[in-house]
Amino acid sequence: SQTIHQWPATLVQPVGSPLSLECTVEGTSNPNLYWYRQAAGRGLQLLFYSVGIGQISSEVPQNLSASRPQDRQFILSSKKLLLSDSGFYLCAWIAGTYEQYFGPGTRLTVT
Amino acid sequence: AQKITQTQPGMFVQEKEAVTLDCTYDTSDPSYGLFWYKQPSSGEMIFLIYQGSYDQQNATEGRYSLNFQKARKSANLVISASQLGDSAMYFCAMRELMYSGGGADGLTFGKGTHLIIQP
Repeated sequence: SQTIHQWPATLVQPVGSPLSLECTVEGTSNPNLYWYRQAAGRGLQLLFYSVGIGQISSEVPQNLSASRPQDRQFILSSKKLLLSDSGFYLCAWIAGTYEQYFGPGTRLTVT
Repeated sequence: AQKITQTQPGMFVQEKEAVTLDCTYDTSDPSYGLFWYKQPSSGEMIFLIYQGSYDQQNATEGRYSLNFQKARKSANLVISASQLGDSAMYFCAMRELMYSGGGADGLTFGKGTHLIIQP
């Protein structure tokens, strides 16, 4: 069966510090992978998606970046965090038309 | 313009009653998919139900059904016989398939409805 892992589960970081969130999937190969962010009390906003190794598309301009070094690994990074980067970050895998799987999420608080 | 509109920020419903959560969408893509997700306080996104734009019948999954009215661009979620465990945020989402490179660019979400089931 398919599984998505995300870590860390929670993170508290000061403004200006770097960030690295990791997402890995199991049980599939060559998946489309996605990073979403959910601000407090809001819906999900698509940040990045990737259709393959080294292929990253950005939906919104920001100080975040993403990388896909391996087929089933997707990383979200920042060199310097802003207060506005606080939120709940969800990795997702989409296979087919309606098989949408989300990871457990990372709750990031920037102080 | 918003692609997904959920007009009910919050709802209180008595246990065992049926619930309808509203969702309207906007797209010019003839091929799209509509989704409903449940997000409990833990934060996980739980897939509930899917409706394709070409599906002739309304989708059903257990106590969940999707009232799909294509001409009105409406995709309301109906929960029959609500339970206390149904209390959560509910999100409507859409994936456009033809004009967006086969849907590779992910889902567009509404702002959600906070459903509270009262005993």
